[in-house]
This record gives sequence, structure tokens and C-alpha cells, in this order.
Amino acid sequence: AQKITQTQPGMFVQEKEAVTLDCTYDTSDPSYGLFWYKQPSSGEMIFLIYQGSYDQQNATEGRYSLNFQKARKSANLVISASQLGDSAMYFCAMRDEGAGGTSYGKLTFGQGTILTVHP
Amino acid sequence: AAGVIQSPRHLIKEKRETATLKCYPIPRHDTVYWYQQGPGQDPQFLISFYEKMQSDKGSIPDRFSARQFPNYSSELNVNALLLGDSALYLCASSLVSDYMNTEAFFGQGTRLTVV
Repeated sequence: AQKITQTQPGMFVQEKEAVTLDCTYDTSDPSYGLFWYKQPSSGEMIFLIYQGSYDQQNATEGRYSLNFQKARKSANLVISASQLGDSAMYFCAMRDEGAGGTSYGKLTFGQGTILTVHP
Repeated sequence: AAGVIQSPRHLIKEKRETATLKCYPIPRHDTVYWYQQGPGQDPQFLISFYEKMQSDKGSIPDRFSARQFPNYSSELNVNALLLGDSALYLCASSLVSDYMNTEAFFGQGTRLTVV
């Protein structure tokens, strides 16, 4: 079974500063993918960044980067130069990517972290 | 680019009625997933379809049923509604047959309120 843990219920950051949102995971699957999503109050789940378990380099997408430490089973999201519009709930999620598995693609989510950006 | 479309955005139903939620996946995506997200909770997996066949199912009551149509759109039905069914229902789509695929996009959700 897969498990995702986000230990920070809420985080605060000053506008234009960087912030790290923590995510640890547990799985027995050798092949998996890690995702980060942003969910504003409107409810839409917005895809931010993806990291595959076999990827050698940390993923980056604009102001978002994923600090992937496989041995520690952590996949922290780093947001650089925070903006007021970054205030939202952030979810870390994992999916099994083992070939042939019927659960392929199903996401398991962490509890989420509410990020508040102060001006 | 086309995204996942869900309708309606908001749905209000009375107890014991039936709710029907629709999802239109991203074109060329072969798999649809349904999740239920209660207030202040993380999304919980309900059911998924790959190539119009049910591929996986979470621990959900028999009151929940779903199907995928030939055009890959999907419908989630919730019968005999309870107050506890009030939640945000999220649909996601992905291209599972492409093992290099890294996409897992969600729609805007249907907010179901049972009164």
C-alpha cells in the first residue's frame, strides 16, 4: 500500500521569498510517480510538477522545483519568488507506475498543506 | 489546450434522490478516474475506467456506480443520496497506455450538496 505524508498543515511565506513544502512517502513499488497539485478555494486541482522514481535529476517547472531524495523517500516542493496568487492548498500525490498493474494511474494523496503568502 | 471538463459545476439534491455527474476527458486520454473530496479532506479514489472497462475500484458503497462511454466520457451516479455524500467530486484523465506519460490532469470538479 502507498502512503503520502504532509506534516505541515499550514505554512506562511513573505511575498517574493522561497518556501519548501514537505512530502514523504512510503511504497513497496519499485516504479512510481510523484505529483504536486495546487488547489485554490475554487476547488480545481491544478497540476504543478511530476517526478518519476527513476528520474536522475530533480524536476523543475518555472518557479516550482521538486527536491527528490529517494533514499529518504521525500519529495519536497520548492516554490521560488512566492506570489500572492500562490496562496492555496497544496497536495503531494503518488501513483503506482508498475507495468501491467490495474491500479496504474490511481493517485494517493497526502493531507495537504495550506500555503498563505503575505504581502 | 483542451482540459478535463466536468458538469455540472454545482449540484444540489435532496436526500434519497440520485445525482448524475459527468466527465469529459482530455482528447486521446484512455483512462478516467473519479475522486471524492470531503470538506477539509484529501481526495479519495472512487473508481477508474481504462478503455471503457472498469479498471480499479475503491472502498465505495454500492450506491455509487459509474461507466465510461464509447467516446471516453464518463458518468458517476450516486443513488439514495445521504447528507454525507456532500463533497467535491473530481474527475481526472490520463494516457495509461503510454508508459512515458507523466500527465494526470483534473477537471474543475462538481460540488454536490445534499439537503
